[in-house]
Amino acid sequence: GESVGLHLPTLSVQEGDNSIINCAYSNSASDYFIWYKQESGKGPQFIIDIRSNMDKRQGQRVTVLLNKTVKHLSLQIAATQPGDSAVYFCAETAASGTYKYIFGTGTRLKVLA
Amino acid sequence: NAGVTQTPKFRVLKTGQSMTLLCAQDMNHEYMYWYRQDPGMGLRLIHYSVGEGTTAKGEVPDGYNVSRLKKQNFLLGLESAAPSQTSVYFCASSDPGTGELFFGEGSRLTVL
Repeated sequence: GESVGLHLPTLSVQEGDNSIINCAYSNSASDYFIWYKQESGKGPQFIIDIRSNMDKRQGQRVTVLLNKTVKHLSLQIAATQPGDSAVYFCAETAASGTYKYIFGTGTRLKVLA
Repeated sequence: NAGVTQTPKFRVLKTGQSMTLLCAQDMNHEYMYWYRQDPGMGLRLIHYSVGEGTTAKGEVPDGYNVSRLKKQNFLLGLESAAPSQTSVYFCASSDPGTGELFFGEGSRLTVL
């Protein structure tokens, strides 16, 4: 069973389409951000990170955009696949390399066949 | 490479019972953390450790104790379990030189 993820906002996307998941962060002093993917019954997995001196970073099929002016972070997934179905959440810290991470509540991504 | 391993994965306790969750990491990380995850909420930090022999309180430490006797292990103890401690617990580790947290698979605890 899965208790994590109840009451989460859900994004439903057709397989093959692009997905955009958003995150509003809270601390204007945050300088390091991470996106995590959490599949049912598993621990969070690192997807991609970005530092505040960048506004865009690309990985394999994923892109993270950072808008410091409005404290907004987004994760774009290209050509969404069924295996992308999971809960995605962002984490921020103003002190990279220490314990002080703030985690968002997450967004559930459902990929429709 | 196992990464971060948590045991047990599932446990049911009665109110007032005690138990210990074990976290082991094989990446030689200095920092280790215990989080809890509840429905509709982000991960909340319970306790953390910045090195062998050191521990500190996080955001929600009440009702929990921890120990880091060896660098690779971080134990989370519940001395007298309460229903409010029903949750999924995650251990994580990190290298202070980088930002990435590596998580275990989680331990689901139910307190009746």
